[in-house]
Amino acid sequence: GIQVEQSPPDLILQEGANSTLRCNFSDSVNNLQWFHQNPWGQLINLFYIPSGTKQNGRLSATTVATERYSLLYISSSQTTDSGVYFCAVGPNSGGSNYKLTFGKGTLLTVNP
Amino acid sequence: GAGVSQTPSNKVTEKGKYVELRCDPISGHTALYWYRQSLGQGPEFLIYFQGTGAADDSGLPNDRFFAVRPEGSVSTLKIQRTERGDSAVYLCASSFSQGTGELFFGEGSRLTVL
Repeated sequence: GIQVEQSPPDLILQEGANSTLRCNFSDSVNNLQWFHQNPWGQLINLFYIPSGTKQNGRLSATTVATERYSLLYISSSQTTDSGVYFCAVGPNSGGSNYKLTFGKGTLLTVNP
Repeated sequence: GAGVSQTPSNKVTEKGKYVELRCDPISGHTALYWYRQSLGQGPEFLIYFQGTGAADDSGLPNDRFFAVRPEGSVSTLKIQRTERGDSAVYLCASSFSQGTGELFFGEGSRLTVL
C-alpha cells in the first residue's frame, strides 16, 4: 500500500514563530488532507488539498502531486496550535481514493 | 447534528465481552467511515459506507468486527469476543461527497479491554 512519511516527528516552537511541516507519499494520489489533533484527541480537518495551494488564516498548504509531497505552513504560531498534525492520502488508482492512509504525524508544541 | 457524534466516549470492558460503538454522522453526509487509532499512531481505515451498504470493509481486522448502517445515517461498530489488543480509540468520520472530499471526525470512542 501507499506509504506516508511526515517530518519532523517533533517540533517545539516559541509563540510567534513560523514552521513548515512536510508530508511525502510513495504513490500517485488524488485525495490528500491535513488534520490537526488537539490534546483532547479531536481531529480537525484543516485542508482538503490533492493539488495546488490553499490558505486559511495563519495556515496554508501546498501539494505538488507530481513530486509526491505536501507542505503545511503555520505562521505566527500560537499555543492553541499545539497538538499532532496528520497528513492523510488516498491513492489515485484502484478506485479506493476514499481509503485514507495516515502518516505518523508531527507533534507540535508551542510554548508561550 | 452540528458535528459527528460518537457514543460512548469511553468504554471499559472485560476480555471476551461484546461491545457496540455508535456513530451519528453530520446530517446529509452519505459517506461514513470508521477508523481505529492506537497510541502514538495515525488512524487506520476500517470500513467505508456509501448509504446503507458497506462499500469497503477491507480494513476490518478479523470476523469479530462488524459494522452496520441500516438506514443510511447512524452506524454501529460491533466487536465480538473482545481481546486486549482491541483497545484503541475508534473514530467515526463522515463526508458529503461520494468517498472523497473533506472528512469530518467525531471525538472518538476510547475502548479499553481488561
